[in-house]
Amino acid sequence: AQTVTQSQPEMSVQEAETVTLSCTYDTSESNYYLFWYKQPPSRQMILVIRQEAYKQQNATENRFSVNFQKAAKSFSLKISDSQLGDTAMYFCAFIVRAQGGSEKLVFGKGTKLTVNP
Amino acid sequence: EAGVVQSPRYKIIEKKQPVAFWCNPISGHNTLYWYRQNLGQGPELLIRYENEEAVDDSQLPKDRFSAERLKGVDSTLKIQPAELGDSAVYLCASSSWTGQETQYFGPGTRLLVL
Repeated sequence: AQTVTQSQPEMSVQEAETVTLSCTYDTSESNYYLFWYKQPPSRQMILVIRQEAYKQQNATENRFSVNFQKAAKSFSLKISDSQLGDTAMYFCAFIVRAQGGSEKLVFGKGTKLTVNP
Repeated sequence: EAGVVQSPRYKIIEKKQPVAFWCNPISGHNTLYWYRQNLGQGPELLIRYENEEAVDDSQLPKDRFSAERLKGVDSTLKIQPAELGDSAVYLCASSSWTGQETQYFGPGTRLLVL
């Protein structure tokens, strides 16, 4: 079975500081993609960052970066210089690349991040 | 570029009533997904379309749920009759066959069944 585990239900950080959200996953496939999505109270699911499993280099997107450890099946998200607008639920997810198209995203249960002023 | 559009944003109905949700994906996106998100959980796939074909509906409760994507563009998800346990947020997402494997989500429809 393909699963995603986010072990931190809630986290908080002071504005301008750095925070790391943990994620581990389980799959027997070798060709897959990993994502972090952000869901603020408005409930719009927004893509934060993506990582192709075949790439060794960790993805970065402005203040967001990942630490991808393929052997350990770990995919953590680091948010630098946290801002109040980063307050949201963060979901780790992955998708297996199937022949002929995409398959379903498998999501973790989420980590609720609060950025305090 | 317009994002994924969903309507309505909110719906309150009594149990046993029917309800329908509509989704218009990003232009040019072949693949369309319906997810259900229960409170405090991540989204779970209900059905996936490649153009007008439902290629994965294994998680769709077929006794009361139905979906269609007749022209391979917009889609409708229907529940009839609704049950109390159907209260959730229904998310629509779309993606394209560019190898990016990235799904873009709409704002969702929050359903409350009383």
